[in-house]
Amino acid sequence: AQKVTQAQTEISVVEKEDVTLDCVYETRDTTYYLFWYKQPPSGELVFLIRRNSFDEQNEISGRYSWNFQKSTSSFNFTITASQVVDSAVYFCALYTGHGNNRLAFGKGNQVVVIP
Amino acid sequence: GAVVSQHPSWVICKSGTSVKIECRSLDFQATTMFWYRQFPKQSLMLMATSNEGSKATYEQGVEKDKFLINHASLTLSTLTVTSAHPEDSSFYICSAREPVDYGYTFGSGTRLTVV
Repeated sequence: AQKVTQAQTEISVVEKEDVTLDCVYETRDTTYYLFWYKQPPSGELVFLIRRNSFDEQNEISGRYSWNFQKSTSSFNFTITASQVVDSAVYFCALYTGHGNNRLAFGKGNQVVVIP
Repeated sequence: GAVVSQHPSWVICKSGTSVKIECRSLDFQATTMFWYRQFPKQSLMLMATSNEGSKATYEQGVEKDKFLINHASLTLSTLTVTSAHPEDSSFYICSAREPVDYGYTFGSGTRLTVV
């Protein structure tokens, strides 16, 4: 069975601080995809990144960066120099192709950036 | 990029009436769509998987007769909440799986309030 754990529920940071969101996943499959989504207060889910299990390269996109470590089954997300607009819920999700091709979501991290 | 349109964004209805929510993939054909329900400060809960031309697959505990799902075309899936009650008030969000790569695009969500 696939499972995603996001242990931190709510994280508050002062603007310009960095914040790292942890995502630990469980799967027996060797081929899988990991995702991060942002859900601002308006509710829509905004796609941030997808990473397949064979690509362990870390990625940086502007102030966002991701660290994928298969050895620890983690796919952590860092926001550098946080801004108020980063205040949102961030979800990590896992796709393995099982269970009707569904995504398994973590519980989400509520990030609050204090100006 | 892929776009999924979900309507309405919000709806208020009286107890006992039915409400239909539409989910359209605008620039791609979606053989599989997903319907989620989200309670405040919680993660997305998968309600059902909708496959074009066939019956939806409902998750355990989801009432098929209350939440009717129809996926009549490759670009449209609908969720009808029948005989709505206040406890059906929630945020409903759809997702479509892109056929080529392993991407999932989400609609903007529908906030349903039953009074």
